[in-house]
Amino acid sequence: GQQLNQSPQSMFIQEGEDVSMNCTSSSIFNTWLWYKQDPGEGPVLLIALYKAGELTSNGRLTAQFGITRKDSFLNISASIPSDVGIYFCAGQFLVGDDKIIFGKGTRLHILP
Amino acid sequence: DTEVTQTPKHLVMGMTNKKSLKCEQHMGHRAMYWYKQKAKKPPELMFVYSYEKLSINESVPSRFSPECPNSSLLNLHLHALQPEDSALYLCASSLQGANYGYTFGSGTRLTVV
Repeated sequence: GQQLNQSPQSMFIQEGEDVSMNCTSSSIFNTWLWYKQDPGEGPVLLIALYKAGELTSNGRLTAQFGITRKDSFLNISASIPSDVGIYFCAGQFLVGDDKIIFGKGTRLHILP
Repeated sequence: DTEVTQTPKHLVMGMTNKKSLKCEQHMGHRAMYWYKQKAKKPPELMFVYSYEKLSINESVPSRFSPECPNSSLLNLHLHALQPEDSALYLCASSLQGANYGYTFGSGTRLTVV
């Protein structure tokens, strides 16, 4: 079946640092999605990417849809305490059931 | 309204109980989903409803029974659960056939004792 490899699994950074995480897949997706999940809450969509090579920003977040359509990265600039949480990449197929496949997540910790 | 609302937020049930989880959205989405999420793991797809019809069942045990009474509501009926079924149960919805991702609810934290 389809699998997404997300790395790193966890990150410990200082407030103000930039963060980068990425996902690779054995499958080609029509859409790449990045979600953030806070404890006890459902995932919240941060950025959606629809075209190979697309670079999209949402405030301090920037994500790119890889040229091969098999990878994506998410960057967070100048991290702040509320960035703590779990970030999931997800790939979505347009044809058929438009099922989302999730990566295993990157847990972001910010050191005091 | 841009939300998916799930009730209850927390549920503790015994292994012989019958309970139901509820999910509601008023965004006109015609696809609705149930996910199960264990601690420190990604959400795992359980069921997909498309236009109120069950389109995907990811080999979920029959002690979980989904129901979609109308385009805005999705239920998950629970019966004879096991302690290992304790998890966060997430509902999501999306525009059918549109690749805009899913909108998730906040989940129901289920504990089976």
